[in-house]
Amino acid sequence: QQQVKQSPQSLIVQKGGISIINCAYENTAFDYFPWYQQFPGKGPALLIAIRPDVSEKKEGRFTISFNKSAKQFSLHIMDSQPGDSATYFCAANGSSNTGKLIFGQGTTLQVKP
Amino acid sequence: GAVVSQHPSRVICKSGTSVKIECRSLDFQATTMFWYRQFPKKSLMLMATSNEGSKATYEQGVEKDKFLINHASLTLSTLTVTSAHPEDSSFYICSASNQAKNIQYFGAGTRLSVL
Repeated sequence: QQQVKQSPQSLIVQKGGISIINCAYENTAFDYFPWYQQFPGKGPALLIAIRPDVSEKKEGRFTISFNKSAKQFSLHIMDSQPGDSATYFCAANGSSNTGKLIFGQGTTLQVKP
Repeated sequence: GAVVSQHPSRVICKSGTSVKIECRSLDFQATTMFWYRQFPKKSLMLMATSNEGSKATYEQGVEKDKFLINHASLTLSTLTVTSAHPEDSSFYICSASNQAKNIQYFGAGTRLSVL
């Protein structure tokens, strides 16, 4: 029940295309869903986050779509650029008391010029 | 976003020695900090939750005597890998949580290599 399942494991997209990464969770008590971007040898950086009271959140080229009934959420990267090539992790807030995050397995995105 | 400073970024040590990694929140007070370990091409594995002024809470399977965590102030947590062995070689990452508690900001990570 504490898992967050992320797919695909890897993704190759042409420059200008749309990158889509999906995550699914089981615990309906989760109430915060961030996405992190990680470059090799660096720590993850918070990209965008959503709470279950909205179905979509957009920040620049990055959009989170959230489907509460299906317990799924996804990251869409519009007009993907080579600089977006990184590993992306979805996460869910496992406990509002401790702030622990449950991370997905990660998706390595490669955007080809 | 908030700034979390982690030091050192890379450390090489001999087997049997201890290594200390520092994690500082630079622009907010972090009541809670987290320590993660990450293997190549893998996700982040939570090692422990560190609360200021109290003992850390370790995840199952993480040896608390091996990985000593101290959170002496609202801006500093340290992880000490004691008697390091080659199998402890990994990428260690800290994060700090602000008052909202479910927004974590990460440090840049520490690459530990034990010879």
